[in-house]
Amino acid sequence: NAGVMQNPRHLVRRRGQEARLRCSPMKGHSHVYWYRQLPEEGLKFMVYLQKENIIDESGMPKERFSAEFPKEGPSILRIQQVVRGDSAAYFCASSPRTGVGETQYFGPGTRLLVL
Amino acid sequence: AQTVTQSQPEMSVQEAETVTLSCTYDTSESDYYLFWYKQPPSRQMILVIRQEAYKQQNATENRFSVNFQKAAKSFSLKISDSQLGDAAMYFCAYRSAKNYGGSQGNLIFGKGTKLSVKP
Repeated sequence: NAGVMQNPRHLVRRRGQEARLRCSPMKGHSHVYWYRQLPEEGLKFMVYLQKENIIDESGMPKERFSAEFPKEGPSILRIQQVVRGDSAAYFCASSPRTGVGETQYFGPGTRLLVL
Repeated sequence: AQTVTQSQPEMSVQEAETVTLSCTYDTSESDYYLFWYKQPPSRQMILVIRQEAYKQQNATENRFSVNFQKAAKSFSLKISDSQLGDAAMYFCAYRSAKNYGGSQGNLIFGKGTKLSVKP
């Protein structure tokens, strides 16, 4: 059973460009979480999605950031008009459909660098 | 709001010795989950151990065990017979057991403890 896949692993963007980060959950997992890790910090929750639904986006900045998890295909975290402060590691985690008690399994992360 | 505090930014242990990493948390909830994750230099987040708050028995996974003190809101990680491969950042995390409202199961992390293992 393949683990959580994220791509790209590294992404370099110039200020003002768009960044698209992809996450494929583990097989059989329908819950996806996105977290951001700034340098020397712990992970901070951004958004929680189930297939075709955003369940909780309380941790996501109101502007420039959006997320989706379509019926088919990976979950996408999209950052428009990136700024230097968006430079961070972005982690995706997934858990099975059986509820909030389930452990979250993390992908390897995408390191975004904004020049 | 729940918070997780790791008061030791860095720790060091001699190979084959035992080390304990501290974690305290603040919550008004009675039902929740606690986790320790390891982040080696590759930066992959790896689950080390998990504890359900309703269970009094401390969780163990091979050389890793926890000391869960619910009343004190403390959740320390003990690593026995430390190995060079244990060197990493260790994050303590809290997860509510609620599945409605603002807490939909997202993890709340501490800032981490960097563990060094000396040969």
